Amino acid sequence: ETGVTQTPRHLVMGMTNKKSLKCEQHLGHNAMYWYKQSAKKPLELMFVYNFKEQTENNSVPSRFSPECPNSSHLFLHLHTLQPEDSALYLCASRPAGGLTDTQYFGPGTRLTVL
Amino acid sequence: KQEVTQIPAALSVPEGENLVLNCSFTDSAIYNLQWFRQDPGKGLTSLLLIQSSQREQTSGRLNASLDKSSGRSTLYIAASQPGDSATYLCAVVQGGSEKLVFGKGMKLTVNP
Repeated sequence: ETGVTQTPRHLVMGMTNKKSLKCEQHLGHNAMYWYKQSAKKPLELMFVYNFKEQTENNSVPSRFSPECPNSSHLFLHLHTLQPEDSALYLCASRPAGGLTDTQYFGPGTRLTVL
Repeated sequence: KQEVTQIPAALSVPEGENLVLNCSFTDSAIYNLQWFRQDPGKGLTSLLLIQSSQREQTSGRLNASLDKSSGRSTLYIAASQPGDSATYLCAVVQGGSEKLVFGKGMKLTVNP
């Protein structure tokens, strides 16, 4: 266990559905991240939050909408997704300002878009 | 644009072998380089982190080296065990950014 939890672990949704992924960390970190891991592609950074403020958006389509209500929780709201959005979505956290520190990853949510 | 490459994509070896996993990156302006392990259907576990000013790090049977000028890192696994079977990912933190740039990973299978 890394101290980062993600729910749900598996999600199947249609292209017209709206769903949300949740990430929670109990490590006292202030930086949180969303990553996408597709088959046969490198892990891609999607969003970065520092002290609840979004500091990086890696050109992610607007059908993905992140939310960070506090330093312990991070959400990824999904709507009108495409089948190519099917992937493993990973959340990570790190002490803010600690670029020399590693990131701690959650187990991921396996998303399938039908 | 930083690119991280791991070759080969997969490796299958008998138990007990000493292994060398390779990672290369195109831009040497990095803060650090990390090696992660990922088990099937699970998240990533950090194995070793090498700061840009360091040459190597060791943890148990694992040793990672960094040659920033040539854009290379090596993860050495001594006396491999079936429990080492996993995907190993190399990633760099780009200077001036929080971005972790990953390679595609190398799937290791250690056969008993």
